[in-house]
Amino acid sequence: GQNIDQPTEMTATEGAIVQINCTYQTSGFNGLFWYQQHAGEAPTFLSYNVLDGLEEKGRFSSFLSRSKGYSYLLLKELQMKDSASYLCAVEGGATNKLIFGTGTLLAVQP
Amino acid sequence: ETGVTQTPRHLVMGMTNKKSLKCEQHLGHNAMYWYKQSAKKPLELMFVYSLEERVENNSVPSRFSPECPNSSHLFLHLHTLQPEDSALYLCASSHNPISSTDTQYFGPGTRLTVL
Repeated sequence: GQNIDQPTEMTATEGAIVQINCTYQTSGFNGLFWYQQHAGEAPTFLSYNVLDGLEEKGRFSSFLSRSKGYSYLLLKELQMKDSASYLCAVEGGATNKLIFGTGTLLAVQP
Repeated sequence: ETGVTQTPRHLVMGMTNKKSLKCEQHLGHNAMYWYKQSAKKPLELMFVYSLEERVENNSVPSRFSPECPNSSHLFLHLHTLQPEDSALYLCASSHNPISSTDTQYFGPGTRLTVL
């Protein structure tokens, strides 16, 4: 079966670093995406990993280990505007089909 | 002009009503998608259109009927819905319908409430 697991909620402090984990079990793997979704808004693309290792993009980094079926999103120097839901999604088959996790709701506190 | 637009943003309908959701993408993409997002549940893929042809139907009930008249527009026609169909309906598009690594760009969604 297809399964994406990520924590439901997390809380962190402004200026700190937070790591959001995602584990997956899918029948195939063509890449892993992270999306950010503010309440009432569209999910927006953050990162894409297909090879093992760390991809850094400004304050956000994403890591992938295909052998472990594991990824994390690392957010540095947290800002209040980073409070949002973070969605992990795996491209697990043909026809560009994304399988999403339930999302992790991150609350950044002063 | 934002990349993917959806109208209406909010919709309240009775179970006997017929309504349509509209999605338009201004990105020159060739693939479009409908997703359903319910509280506490993952985004669920409903339909995929590639070059105006439906290539995926994820066992969606027939009370949801998609239509893709051209590569820029996607509709979701709704009729005789149930209260459990209340959710956020998201449209997305991507450039290459064949590539499995193409980023999908989402619209803001339509918040649907079925009474």
